[in-house]
Amino acid sequence: GQQVMQIPQYQHVQEGEDFTTYCNSSTTLSNIQWYKQRPGGHPVFLIQLVKSGEVKKQKRLTFQFGEAKKNSSLHITATQTTDVGTYFCAGSEGSQGNLIFGKGTKLSVKP
Amino acid sequence: DGGITQSPKYLFRKEGQNVTLSCEQNLNHDAMYWYRQDPGQGLRLIYYSQIVNDFQKGDIAEGYSVSREKKESFPLTVTSAQKNPTAFYLCASSRGGGSYNEQFFGPGTRLTVL
Repeated sequence: GQQVMQIPQYQHVQEGEDFTTYCNSSTTLSNIQWYKQRPGGHPVFLIQLVKSGEVKKQKRLTFQFGEAKKNSSLHITATQTTDVGTYFCAGSEGSQGNLIFGKGTKLSVKP
Repeated sequence: DGGITQSPKYLFRKEGQNVTLSCEQNLNHDAMYWYRQDPGQGLRLIYYSQIVNDFQKGDIAEGYSVSREKKESFPLTVTSAQKNPTAFYLCASSRGGGSYNEQFFGPGTRLTVL
C-alpha cells in the first residue's frame, strides 16, 4: 500500500540553528499536508501543498512540494524553543483517498 | 467555542474488557476519523466516517468498532479482541471526506490496559 516516509526521526538543534524534515513517497501524491504536535498535545494543521513545485512560507517556516509531487520538505530558519514538537507530513494519492501520515520528525531545541 | 472533545483524557482498563472512547465535535463537520498513535509511530487510521450512519475501516480496524448515529458523535469501542490496545487515541474531523480537507484533532485519550 501507499507509504509516506519521513526523515530524520529525531533532530536535536541548538537554538538559532536551522532545521529541515523530509517526506518521501514512492507514488505521486495529489496533495500533502503538514501538522505539528507539541509534547503532550495533539496534531495541529500547518499547511497544505497541492501544486507541483509549490513553495509556501509561514514566517520562519518554508514548505516545498517537489516537482514530481513525490516529496516534500519543511524548513525552519533560526529555530526557537517554541518550535519544539513532532512534525508530521501526510499525503494522499487521490483527492478522495485518506491521508497517510509519516512517522514524524521529533525536534528538540536546546536554548 | 467550536472544537472537538474527547473523553476521558486517561483511561485504564483490565485485560479482556471492552471500553468506549468518546468523541464529539461542534464544528458541523461531515467527516470524522479515529487514529491510533504509538511512540515513534505516525498516526494510523482505525476507522473513518464521511457521513452519518456510514463508516469504513481504516488500516488497523481489527479489534475496534465504531458507530455514527449523530453527526456530532463518533465513539470508538476498543474490544477485547484488540491484541495490543495500550496507545494514544486521537479523534479528528474535517469539513468533508477526502484528502484535501484540513483535519482538526481532539486532545486525545491515553488508554492503558493493565
